[in-house]
Amino acid sequence: EPEVTQTPSHQVTQMGQEVILRCVPISNHLYFYWYRQILGQKVEFLVSFYNNEISEKSEIFDDQFSVERPDGSNFTLKIRSTKLEDSAMYFCASSPRQVVKLFFGSGTQLSVL
Amino acid sequence: DQQVKQNSPSLSVQEGRISILNCDYTNSMFDYFLWYKKYPAEGPTFLISISSIKDKNEDGRFTVFLNKSAKHLSLHIVPSQPGDSAVYFCAASKAGSYQLTFGKGTKLSVIP
Repeated sequence: EPEVTQTPSHQVTQMGQEVILRCVPISNHLYFYWYRQILGQKVEFLVSFYNNEISEKSEIFDDQFSVERPDGSNFTLKIRSTKLEDSAMYFCASSPRQVVKLFFGSGTQLSVL
Repeated sequence: DQQVKQNSPSLSVQEGRISILNCDYTNSMFDYFLWYKKYPAEGPTFLISISSIKDKNEDGRFTVFLNKSAKHLSLHIVPSQPGDSAVYFCAASKAGSYQLTFGKGTKLSVIP
């Protein structure tokens, strides 16, 4: 079964550094998403991306965050200047249609020191 | 801001019995509901969904019931198997929105 691939599985960075989290969505999917889960809390929506632009974003997704689909296969989340509170598991997801049955990757555990 | 609530953090069930996981929501604009299962170190995996125009959807051992007047849905797993042990998340979306709103999850333990 096709799957969403995320790299790296773990990322440790210093506060204030830039990080890029990478994802390869399922190839025929059109909608792409980033979610995160802070330890002990619920999974939270960050952003959705469709037709090469952001279709929706949450209040969490401020100017420090950006997304990009640089080629036909990768989908990236960049955090420009990381904060301690950005430490979380970040999940990439994709879907063939809007919101229906999202397929999630295994996540990138980001630790900001 | 708990628009989707799963009030039971954990549930233990004997193998072969029925597992019932509950979810309540407060936003009447939600019109599509999903259940996801999550194992440690993995991403959430889609289980089953239901549209607000239905009150029941069944897929094998999994059945989701929706009570719109009570803003309540439940996931029934029967018979429960040890491999069902995982965290189960309820999620909801609004028409026209791209985002899912998740509950905090219920950890199901199926005891052999």
